[in-house]
Amino acid sequence: EAGVVQSPRYKIIEKKQPVAFWCNPISGHNTLYWYLQNLGQGPELLIRYENEEAVDDSQLPKDRFSAERLKGVDSTLKIQPAELGDSAVYLCASSSTGIETQYFGPGTRLLVL
Amino acid sequence: AQSVTQLGSHVSVSEGALVLLRCNYSSSVPPYLFWYVQYPNQGLQLLLKYTSAATLVKGINGFEAEFKKSETSFHLTKPSAHMSDAAEYFCAVRGGNTPLVFGKGTRLSVIA
Repeated sequence: EAGVVQSPRYKIIEKKQPVAFWCNPISGHNTLYWYLQNLGQGPELLIRYENEEAVDDSQLPKDRFSAERLKGVDSTLKIQPAELGDSAVYLCASSSTGIETQYFGPGTRLLVL
Repeated sequence: AQSVTQLGSHVSVSEGALVLLRCNYSSSVPPYLFWYVQYPNQGLQLLLKYTSAATLVKGINGFEAEFKKSETSFHLTKPSAHMSDAAEYFCAVRGGNTPLVFGKGTRLSVIA
């Protein structure tokens, strides 16, 4: 069974540029999560989807971050414009339901110059 | 609300020695507890989880953890460290349908 797929794996951009990350969850998983992991820290939840609906986006900085999960499968996380402080690893995870075990993708490592 | 404290940001052990990584949690409801491992430039992989069944939980790669409610702890152990165990380990807690909350992680080094 294929795991959670994320792309790109690495991204380097200049500040004020836009950037987007893509995630394909495990087949059949209805719940999808985006996490932010700063260096030396544990992951922190940005947004959680149940199918197409964002059910928890309280930690998503909505002035510059946006996310979508069209058709309840793939998801895209966007930052516009990026700031230096956005340099981090962005992890995507999925689970069959909101209370089941989460499985993580390899992450996208973002560097903002 | 839930929270996790991992004692020791870095633990170093000799190959073949006991591994003990400490995790204390706080939860206002019965918790679900997890240990994840992260190798360099990779995502998190589930080692084991506690979901209110047996208090001693066995996971992959010879790891196990014991849920102690009286001590609000969920420490991770392995009898004999292997070089391949060197990685970052994260303890996490969830209460019911609440979000998963992670600790800051403990980096395990294994010395030959």
